[in-house]
Amino acid sequence: QLQLQESGPGLVKPSETLSLTCIVSGASISSSSYYWGWIRQPPGKGLEWIGSIYYSGSSYYNPSLKSRVIISVDTSKNQFSLKVSSVTAADTAVYYCARAPNILNPFDNWGQGTLVTVYS
Amino acid sequence: DIVMTQSPDSLAVSLGERATINCKSSQSVLYSSNNKNYLAWYQQKPGQPPNLLIYWASTRESGVPDRFSGSGSGTDFTLTISSLQAEDVAVYYCQQYYSTPYTFGLGTKLEIK
Repeated sequence: QLQLQESGPGLVKPSETLSLTCIVSGASISSSSYYWGWIRQPPGKGLEWIGSIYYSGSSYYNPSLKSRVIISVDTSKNQFSLKVSSVTAADTAVYYCARAPNILNPFDNWGQGTLVTVYS
Repeated sequence: DIVMTQSPDSLAVSLGERATINCKSSQSVLYSSNNKNYLAWYQQKPGQPPNLLIYWASTRESGVPDRFSGSGSGTDFTLTISSLQAEDVAVYYCQQYYSTPYTFGLGTKLEIK
């Protein structure tokens, strides 16, 4: 059974870089045509897609965040990662990692999410 | 970006009654080459991640009760819960995956009347 688990610091200072990792278990991150994505949800608000990556490293980003975001994949560790630079309070959110069966597909498996708070 | 507009923002329905949630996209999410609508519905309960209910606008995800159904095409879509159960209390989101950036509606909060 596929499981995704986000890990990383829960507190980040303004102007610093937010770094999260999604550990994938129960399936190979290199298998089939899966895309692996990051989605965030500010407290009490809606969902925002950040970006997605294929195991080869091919990636797609939300233009609203593209200049500050890097998504990478480590197939040897079966995990993928998110970095958001120059964070502000507006980046405070629950960050989810998720899987889509292919590009232009919905997300059918999600991690439990991790709250990242930007504080000064 | 494709803007997804959901209505209503919140909805209170009696147990056993029908609940209907609407979603409108700012442009068509129907791919003419395969006649598929790139539209999904998710259910999110407090403290939990979103859970995929419906994809391709009307295909129920495995394990989703058949009281949940999706309909619509092009720019106008509907999620219907035929007989509301207590465990259906949640926020429901529509999402387009027709093009990146993928975008979500702001959500509809469903409660028991």
